[in-house]
Amino acid sequence: KQEVTQIPAALSVPEGENLVLNCSFTDSAIYNLQWFRQDPGKGLTSLLLIQSSQREQTSGRLNASLDKSSGRSTLYIAASQPGDSATYLCAVRRDNTDKLIFGTGTRLQVFP
Amino acid sequence: KAGVTQTPRYLIKTRGQQVTLSCSPISGHRSVSWYQQTPGQGLQFLFEYFSETQRNKGNFPGRFSGRQFSNSRSEMNVSTLELGDSALYLCASSPIGGGYNEQFFGPGTRLTVL
Repeated sequence: KQEVTQIPAALSVPEGENLVLNCSFTDSAIYNLQWFRQDPGKGLTSLLLIQSSQREQTSGRLNASLDKSSGRSTLYIAASQPGDSATYLCAVRRDNTDKLIFGTGTRLQVFP
Repeated sequence: KAGVTQTPRYLIKTRGQQVTLSCSPISGHRSVSWYQQTPGQGLQFLFEYFSETQRNKGNFPGRFSGRQFSNSRSEMNVSTLELGDSALYLCASSPIGGGYNEQFFGPGTRLTVL
């Protein structure tokens, strides 16, 4: 059974720092991995999608990497801003018709 | 292009009642998935509909059901509500269904059961 874990559970940093959020999954047979952000009480916003054949994806200040063999993905946030404060979730899918299995989330606070 | 919309946004019900939530996917998207989010269990998959057929189902009791219409809009129904059904219910759509395409989520429906 696939289990997805995110470390740390919470993070508080000053503005301007570069951050790394971690996502681990127990079964390396994944189809893709998706990173989301969730603002309090709101829905999920898709940040990056990495196919199993890819090593990384970039969007603006965000970079996500995937190491399938070791069951890990990292989300790198450059030059963090207070607007980045949110909960970040990773999710994996086993095949192209399967459900998303979500991690436990990392709650990020960036203070001025 | 309009995003995924969910109605209502907030709902308060009492135990034993039933509730219907609605989700309109992004135009052109044919797959709709439903998830339940609670502080204790996190995000859990309920079911997925593709072309009006339920393609996947999570581990929820039969009180939770859904359907999809020919225009891809989807509804989920919860009967005989319990206190533990209080949660944020999220729906997500993707273009042709499945993992290759990103899933895009709506703002959710916050259900409170008293």
